[in-house]
Parts: sequence; structure tokens; C-alpha cells
Amino acid sequence: DTAVSQTPKYLVTQMGNDKSIKCEQNLGHDTMYWYKQDSKKFLKIMFSYNNKELIINETVPNRFSPKSPDKAHLNLHINSLELGDSAVYFCASSQVGDFYGYTFGSGTRLTVV
Amino acid sequence: AQSVSQHNHHVILSEAASLELGCNYSYGGTVNLFWYVQYPGQHLQLLLKYFSGDPLVKGIKGFEAEFIKSKFSFNLRKPSVQWSDTAEYFCAVKDTDKLIFGTGTRLQVFP
Repeated sequence: DTAVSQTPKYLVTQMGNDKSIKCEQNLGHDTMYWYKQDSKKFLKIMFSYNNKELIINETVPNRFSPKSPDKAHLNLHINSLELGDSAVYFCASSQVGDFYGYTFGSGTRLTVV
Repeated sequence: AQSVSQHNHHVILSEAASLELGCNYSYGGTVNLFWYVQYPGQHLQLLLKYFSGDPLVKGIKGFEAEFIKSKFSFNLRKPSVQWSDTAEYFCAVKDTDKLIFGTGTRLQVFP
């Protein structure tokens, strides 16, 4: 019973396309995050939602748009994909009021060709 | 804002060798510190965390870390590594409402 699940696991697409990555958590956490891990393994936060409200929006191109329909789901839509968007995208969740760290999803490896 | 430095980018050890990976955070006060491990092709998993109390923290798989406030450090240790410890190790600090990660240390253990 996966705690934080992401789909798809792999995504290969052409430049200029639009794609979405979905994330769901069944831990009852109130906060969800998107992190980007580049080819050098550096992890950088992109967005965070707390109870469907956007609370962190780092310097990310506006081609990236997160959406949280409810506190258990956080999706990431990317428009007009570029080569530099190739990375592994990790979803994570936490309980802000009772913080014990993140639980991560298994990641989505996005390759733009 | 907090930041985290991991000075060892790539560590190569033989099995049974002892391990210490460095982690320094940028400023004091109350800190919440974490070590995560990422096995090849997998997601990040929590190894251990420090919030308060005993500065020597024990985690899973025989790992431990020591919080030294005067040095702004939270180094990860293991007395005897195994081939299965080959992975990327990330130190992280809680900054307001998010985790800030270090750049990671790649550990390779050879039989």
C-alpha cells in the first residue's frame, strides 16, 4: 500500500509538448511538495501546497503549473517542454504541524527529446 | 535562509571500512536536521533525524549521526559499511516550511 505514489514513473516526450505528472498520498498529511532532481542529483524545491493552498512557489518558469484538487493530490503540469526540463521529479508529503520529515514518492523520470 | 553543505562529493570505500560523511548547516538557533539515502534508481528514504535532546542520533541500517552545535555540523557515520550501502546520501535542514537539501554524497562500496 504505497504511501506516496507518482505516475507515470517514466515519461519520454518531444520538445514543445505539454505533459502532466500526478501524485497522491494516503498518509493523511496536510502538505505536499514537488522537487526537481537534476542530472547531478541536486534536489531543489519547486512548489508546496498546504491543504490545497499554494505556500511555496520557488523561481520556476511559469510553464510549470501545480494543481491540488484536494490535500491528498498534487499534480504538476508542464507546458511547452524544453530539453532542460529533463530531470527526475519527486513528490513528497509531510504533516506541517507535526513535522517528522518528508515521505517521498518514487519519482518521475522525465526525458525531453 | 538556511543552507546545507556536504563537502564529500564522492566517497569510495571497501566493505567493512568505517564511514563518516560531513554535513554543515549555515546558522544556529533551533534546527531540525535529517539524513536521507537514495539507492540507485529509487526514491529518498529517511535514515535518521535530529530535533532535540541527545545529540547522538541512531537511525536505520546501523547509521548514526552526531549533532555538534558549536561546529554547525551533523555528520553521518557507520562503523562498518557493506556493499549494499552504495547510494547517494543527502543531508537536509528544515527551513520554515520546507527542507533544504545538500548537494549529496555519492558512496561507492566495493566488496
